[in-house]
Amino acid sequence: QITLKESGPALVKPTQTLTLTCNFSGFSLSSTGVGVVWIRQPPGQALEWLALIYWNDHKFYSPSLKTRLTITKDTLKNQVVLTMANVDPLDTATYYCALKEANHHNWFDPWGQGTLVTVSS
Amino acid sequence: QSALTQPASLSGSPGQSITISCTGTSSDVAIFDYVSWYQQHPGKAPKLIVYDVRQRPSGVSDRFSGSKSANTASLSISGLRAEDEADYYCCSYAGRSTWVFGGGTKLTVL
Repeated sequence: QITLKESGPALVKPTQTLTLTCNFSGFSLSSTGVGVVWIRQPPGQALEWLALIYWNDHKFYSPSLKTRLTITKDTLKNQVVLTMANVDPLDTATYYCALKEANHHNWFDPWGQGTLVTVSS
Repeated sequence: QSALTQPASLSGSPGQSITISCTGTSSDVAIFDYVSWYQQHPGKAPKLIVYDVRQRPSGVSDRFSGSKSANTASLSISGLRAEDEADYYCCSYAGRSTWVFGGGTKLTVL
């Protein structure tokens, strides 16, 4: 069974750096083609794709946020970490991580339960 | 990249059929057959219900079907049920290993 679970601070102050962790089980991020993505959803708003990291450490970012995002992985710990620099109240959202199971898969399944992050002073 | 365009809300009665549209551009929906759809119930994580325009994951009801024409993808739900009441999001590959979501459609079952 594949599971993913996000964790991170519930509250972050503006201008700080946000660090989110995705802990997963049931697959390996060292398997060819496997990737993990981050997606966020502000309260009452739409989903937004943020970043992707592949088994070979190739990384891809949303063009609108790429200067503020860093995605890394720890294969041994089964973790993917997303950092977002210089946060703003507009970054308040539920952040999800999800599995991209193969190179040719252009969908995300399954998703974690999400973690709500509020940016406020 | 701009978000794909979906109707903000739709409604239907039990047993009816509805279709949710998802309009993109010549940079995403029009040139890639990589549209997926997600169902999200309140307070829950999104769930994949259609991928690659029209494919259904194992376990997803065949009442859900996807299609695409030019720059517009569509999700149809037949035999509407109370449990179909949820938010629905389309997502398209946008090239260079990036993806773009739609603005979401709130489906109400009357």
